[in-house]
Parts: sequence; structure tokens; C-alpha cells
Amino acid sequence: DSGVTQTPKHLITATGQRVTLRCSPRSGDLSVYWYQQSLDQGLQFLIQYYNGEERAKGNILERFSAQQFPDLHSELNLSSLELGDSALYFCASSVDPGSFTDTQYFGPGTRLTVL
Amino acid sequence: AQTVTQSQPEMSVQEAETVTLSCTYDTSESDYYLFWYKQPPSRQMILVIRQEAYKQQNATENRFSVNFQKAAKSFSLKISDSQLGDAAMYFCAYRSLSGYALNFGKGTSLLVTP
Repeated sequence: DSGVTQTPKHLITATGQRVTLRCSPRSGDLSVYWYQQSLDQGLQFLIQYYNGEERAKGNILERFSAQQFPDLHSELNLSSLELGDSALYFCASSVDPGSFTDTQYFGPGTRLTVL
Repeated sequence: AQTVTQSQPEMSVQEAETVTLSCTYDTSESDYYLFWYKQPPSRQMILVIRQEAYKQQNATENRFSVNFQKAAKSFSLKISDSQLGDAAMYFCAYRSLSGYALNFGKGTSLLVTP
């Protein structure tokens, strides 16, 4: 158990819908990262937050957005869902992204299925 | 962007034997971090080992060790005394010194046979 929690574990929805994925980082970690794992694209970085502020953006679609709240939990919002958005969405957290010893610890993931 | 290549989609090893998983990467940076993550059937991503590029000494964690060849941009993972629980997808990942995102390879599926 990495200490990172994600809810829900599974989500099944229809095209065009909107969903919210939630992540709670490990105790003491200020940074949260979101990754998408799909069969065709592999593991891709989406976005990172540090203490409530966006720090880095990867291959995140405009239909997707995220935020990190004052209690440091994060939410990833996916809207106008398409079949291709079906994937495993991981949240990871770390203490200090700028340090040499910083390591990202991953949550169990949320499996999203778009029908 | 840095590219991470894992040229072996699948590997197989017998229990108690040693196996080496390959990883190469493309970068113009002189300092960076490299990681191996394991993803068992549970789908959880588990950190196996990390290496800082400025360190010449290869990292070791129990039965797991790396062979880091900076000039060749190669970062292979050696698993000694393989166990059934080592069966998983293994991902090599790169992180810039100045960046935050992990850049993953496509993964190698490791099968461990009794």
C-alpha cells in the first residue's frame, strides 16, 4: 500500500458524460500527479499540482481539467467523454519534486470505461 | 521530449534464475533520474529501483540491481533469484532534473515459470 488513495476504483459511463476522479496523496506529500494508462498510448503524464498550484502540464486534453484543494486532495474532471478516454487513470504523489531523492508513489488507479 | 525504449515486449525466466530487462533512452541532458516500476496484475505501480545519472555506482535493492551505462544511454534491470511474485509488467521511466513528469517506456511483461 503506497498510501495514495483513489476513488472510485471503477467507473462505467456513457459517451458525452462527465466524471470526476478523486485522489488523496500520502500524508505529508504536497505534490500530486495524474497519469493515463491506455493500451495504445501507454502511460502518459497528464498534469501536476504542487500545494494547490498547477506546476506542469503534459498530454492533457482540453476536455480534461484538474485541481488540487487546500487539504491537498486532487480531482481530475473528464468531460464530453469519448470511447478513447477509456483507460486506467493513476494519481501519484511526492514530497518535494525539486529534490534529488523525490520519488513518485502511485495510487491503485481508477478504471474508466466509456460505453 | 525524451524517449524511453523497452525493446523486449515479453520475457520469461525460471524460478531462482536471473533475468535482465533492457531499457534505452534518448536525452540531451547530462543529469536526470531513471526508475524501474513494477505493475503486477493488481495494476498498482510499485517503485522497484531508482538511479541518479550523476552517480557512477549502480543502484541495488535486494535482488534487484541496475546496469547503468550513461554513455550508451542504457539502463537495464537485473532480477536475481527470480520468484513467482516477480511476474509483472516492468516499466522503465525517465525524469528530467528540471522536470516533474515521469516519461515511461512501453513496458516489458515478465513471466516467471516454476
